[in-house]
Amino acid sequence: EVQLLESGGGLVQPGGSLRLSCAASGFTFSSYVMSWVRQAPGKGLEWVSSLSGSGGSTYYADSVKGRFTISRDNFKNTLYLQMNSLRAEDTAVYFCAKDLSAAVTSTPIDYWGQGTLVTVSS
Amino acid sequence: SYELTQPPSVSVSPGQTASITCSGDKLGNKYACWYQQKAGQSPVLVIYQDSKRPSGIPERFSGSNSGNTATLTISGTQAMDEADYYCQAWDSSTRVFGGGTKLTVL
Repeated sequence: EVQLLESGGGLVQPGGSLRLSCAASGFTFSSYVMSWVRQAPGKGLEWVSSLSGSGGSTYYADSVKGRFTISRDNFKNTLYLQMNSLRAEDTAVYFCAKDLSAAVTSTPIDYWGQGTLVTVSS
Repeated sequence: SYELTQPPSVSVSPGQTASITCSGDKLGNKYACWYQQKAGQSPVLVIYQDSKRPSGIPERFSGSNSGNTATLTISGTQAMDEADYYCQAWDSSTRVFGGGTKLTVL
């Protein structure tokens, strides 16, 4: 059974940093694209970033480019999102997600975590 | 930047057919997928590659994509299908979600 367990969310001041983690199990982690998707309170889904299985190819939404960094540890089966220079508009539930295949930029998400809430406020 | 447009809301009576559209420039040249998100839950993939159903998704869910519009169709809609539905496609290495459609079964 595929399981994705996010951690690291919380309250942070504007301009601050936070690192999210996602522990994955139930599949061959290194074989799949992994992604982060966020959802602001009462709003729709917004893609944040995706990363190839090897970690060699990264993709970011314009809204986070230069501030957020996605990475993975294929030995620990863990996905990360380093978030710097946080803004109020980054407040959202952040979902860790497994893509259906290894083909970045063409694959849908087939499994989602439960999400972790990030609140940016003074 | 690429945009996908969905109607904010769709209503359907139980047992009837619900259709939710997703519009984008030359969307038919891309693969579209659809997610269902019930209140307080994580999204679930219901259609991918325009018309394929993942394992465990009921046959009443179907999809199509042509021209500028992808459509999610739910035949024989049930009360349990009430949820928000999001379309999604890739454009130039960017994953794009539609704004979401709230399906009300009444």
